[in-house]
Amino acid sequence: QSALTQPPSASGSPGQSVTISCSGTSSDIGGYNFVSWYQQHPGKAPKLMIYEVSKRPSGVPDRFSGSKSGNTASLTVSGLQAEDEADYYCNSYADSNNLGVFGGGTKLTVL
Amino acid sequence: QITLKESGPTLVKPTQTLTLTCTFSGFSLRSTGVGVGWIRQPPGKALEWLALIYWDDDKRYSPSLKSRLTVTKDTSKNQVVLTLTNVDTVDTATYYCAHKNQLTAPDGMDVWGQGTTVAVSS
Repeated sequence: QSALTQPPSASGSPGQSVTISCSGTSSDIGGYNFVSWYQQHPGKAPKLMIYEVSKRPSGVPDRFSGSKSGNTASLTVSGLQAEDEADYYCNSYADSNNLGVFGGGTKLTVL
Repeated sequence: QITLKESGPTLVKPTQTLTLTCTFSGFSLRSTGVGVGWIRQPPGKALEWLALIYWDDDKRYSPSLKSRLTVTKDTSKNQVVLTLTNVDTVDTATYYCAHKNQLTAPDGMDVWGQGTTVAVSS
């Protein structure tokens, strides 16, 4: 059982926006501004999309944005494109292990 | 350009020890703030943290696997080695190593290897 809770699936049409949630506790998401998001296409390695809640690594389109409220973090993908169809995983620092905890993943489908 | 590549056996028998090597280029594990982590993904399942080693030899382990895991670094060879003892079928997964720089992205693994698939079966 994953420590962070994500919806198993999300979907949207091209051009639309979709938000994926990631719920934790005050010992992980709520306690630290260390939430990251990863995109994973089938058969490929994960790719860092967001770190420190809302920062984007170089090369990540600004269509991807992150936020946090209380114990829940969110990833929003605006202007959906076909290539955004992938699995998305959240991760947060956790004081229980000094390492991090992943969410269960959300499969994003572009209709 | 930072690259990482995992290597090791594709098939391991139950109770054996799994040893995986991450060979990297484009950065040094002597540099302040740099770390290499190991993450695995069972077929069709979520990512799972295993271990992380930093430039100063600080080591972090998944609490649930800590008794079975060891991570070491060889800075002269640009390698990080992960060992997992007493493997079981539930350890069947794709194992990834990834780069981290605390100074630029404190909580993000910004470059990943392609992953290596390991099956545990008798």
